[in-house]
Amino acid sequence: AQSVAQPEDQVNVAEGNPLTVKCTYSVSGNPYLFWYVQYPNRGLQFLLKYITGDNLVKGSYGFEAEFNKSQTSFHLKKPSALVSDSALYFCAVRDSLTGGGNKLTFGTGTQLKVEL
Amino acid sequence: DTEVTQTPKHLVMGMTNKKSLKCEQHMGHRAMYWYKQKAKKPPELMFVYSYEKLSINESVPSRFSPECPNSSLLNLHLHALQPEDSALYLCASSPSPDSGTKAFFGQGTRLTVV
Repeated sequence: AQSVAQPEDQVNVAEGNPLTVKCTYSVSGNPYLFWYVQYPNRGLQFLLKYITGDNLVKGSYGFEAEFNKSQTSFHLKKPSALVSDSALYFCAVRDSLTGGGNKLTFGTGTQLKVEL
Repeated sequence: DTEVTQTPKHLVMGMTNKKSLKCEQHMGHRAMYWYKQKAKKPPELMFVYSYEKLSINESVPSRFSPECPNSSLLNLHLHALQPEDSALYLCASSPSPDSGTKAFFGQGTRLTVV
């Protein structure tokens, strides 16, 4: 089975500073990787995905992620954090199901807190 | 229309009640999913419907019963739930079961079992 790991439960950063939320993956075959964000009591919003192609993926709201095959990482980054970026961030991998179809397997989540 | 709509947003039910959660999408997606999410935890897959047929049941107790009346609708029927079933229930859809494209999530139904 495919899996992703988010080693940090919480990341704190000052507004205007760059932010990084870490994710490492364990897959057999080519990875399909995703980042989602969740605001309190809300559903998940898609930020970006990596399927193939350029290792630097640009997504919504100024976020980007770098796919690194040698380090099996897919870290989420933003050059300048905003207070409104404070939320729960999930890394996910697409996992094929033996009965057909696929599912997203999520990491444990990282709470991002951006302070003034 | 790029939304997945879930109703109700909040639901409080007793352990002897029967209730249903509803999910609707009009994007022509042929795969729909139910996830359960406890506070501060990642979503966990419950069911997958592919082309209106149940393809995956992730060992979910029978007190949860999914239904897919048509390609746009997905229901989750609830009966005799336990307090530990209280959670955020998320519906999602994707263009096809085998797609590498993103899944669209609804806002969720916050369920409290008393």
